Amino acid sequence: GENVEQHPSTLSVQEGDSAVIKCTYSDSASNYFPWYKQELGKGPQLIIDIRSNVGEKKDQRIAVTLNKTAKHFSLHITETQPEDSAVYFCAASTQGNEKLTFGTGTRLTIIP
Amino acid sequence: KAGVTQTPRYLIKTRGQQVTLSCSPISGHRSVSWYQQTPGQGLQFLFEYFSETQRNKGNFPGRFSGRQFSNSRSEMNVSTLELGDSALYLCASSSPGQETQYFGPGTRLLVL
Repeated sequence: GENVEQHPSTLSVQEGDSAVIKCTYSDSASNYFPWYKQELGKGPQLIIDIRSNVGEKKDQRIAVTLNKTAKHFSLHITETQPEDSAVYFCAASTQGNEKLTFGTGTRLTIIP
Repeated sequence: KAGVTQTPRYLIKTRGQQVTLSCSPISGHRSVSWYQQTPGQGLQFLFEYFSETQRNKGNFPGRFSGRQFSNSRSEMNVSTLELGDSALYLCASSSPGQETQYFGPGTRLLVL
């Protein structure tokens, strides 16, 4: 089955700097890659997603890049703010299969 | 549009008991997936229901079961609870033909 690895497990950045979180996946059939943000006491919230026919997607301060050949995808957050502090999860799935395989999460701390 | 709702939000049970958790998907969403989240194992897929049928199942013992009703609401049941079943149980819904899953706030289960 699919295996998703995520790095780093913790990340601290100064407010205003950029943060990058990286994930690799094992199943070449995977073609959908969402990123979720989870705050304390809440469920995961979708922040951005990308499909395998696209190499990059951007939404304001957040961007995701996908390298299908290398089987890795990354989340980039620019101009970080204190409210970006949370745990971020990457995930992968195959079209038509609702099963998401998640990475182990990255705890992002923004230092004011 | 109201989000995914889960009830109850918190639950305390003792070993050997059984528990039923409920999930109401976003209006119009017909697919409901369940995940277990623990500090040790992370987010793991339990099962997915679509039109009252289980379409996909994760690697959990038969003590974990679920069902979906004609209005797309779903329940999951855990019988003969074990200490290791203590976790945050998350429900996610998606609309037909869309991979994007939206999560509820979760039910936190503590087994004593």
